Amino acid sequence: GAGVSQSPSNKVTEKGKDVELRCDPISGHTALYWYRQRLGQGLEFLIYFQGNSAPDKSGLPSDRFSAERTGESVSTLTIQRTQQEDSAVYLCASSQPTAQETQYFGPGTRLLVL
Amino acid sequence: SQQGEEDPQALSIQEGENATMNCSYKTSINNLQWYRQNSGRGLVHLILIRSNEREKHSGRLRVTLDTSKKSSSLLITASRAADTASYFCATDAGDSSYKLIFGSGTRLLVRP
Repeated sequence: GAGVSQSPSNKVTEKGKDVELRCDPISGHTALYWYRQRLGQGLEFLIYFQGNSAPDKSGLPSDRFSAERTGESVSTLTIQRTQQEDSAVYLCASSQPTAQETQYFGPGTRLLVL
Repeated sequence: SQQGEEDPQALSIQEGENATMNCSYKTSINNLQWYRQNSGRGLVHLILIRSNEREKHSGRLRVTLDTSKKSSSLLITASRAADTASYFCATDAGDSSYKLIFGSGTRLLVRP
């Protein structure tokens, strides 16, 4: 079946603008995750959804970052008043409820804040 | 903060040679995984090894885990140009199965 998809693939925005990043997980995967990857770095955990609830938001770097999930499917990561240090690749992953340790990643959204 | 640290940061080998990458971590884990990333985009899951396992094979991949040294290694045998990518180890946070903690990765270049 289809894998995890993310949109847009690339986003260029001006400092101070808001952006929305979208993730469509694999159908039937109840768990969904957002990660951030800065250039040349590993992935940083941002937030975890189980169903439509987010029991772990500990990785969100500031209150400018928020995320929601609806219908136990699509998730949106919103960054308000973007800053240059927000420039990174934002990756979404999903996993089966019985095997959460194996996460399937989307292609990511490359965000550039000018 | 990142738990896993890969070594080396970059590796360049000739096609046909073996590539070995190492990962060290700091806290106790339930499992450790290796992922591959092409062109800085999506990650592909390669292999998972549990804390009670010492070695695991998948095709040309061989992973070892030494929990006493808190380290793991990934061996790619008979490398191909298509193996050129960044390789990351990821551990669970110990107290949760869902949160993956990634190292900074090893950039592998396989020269044709």
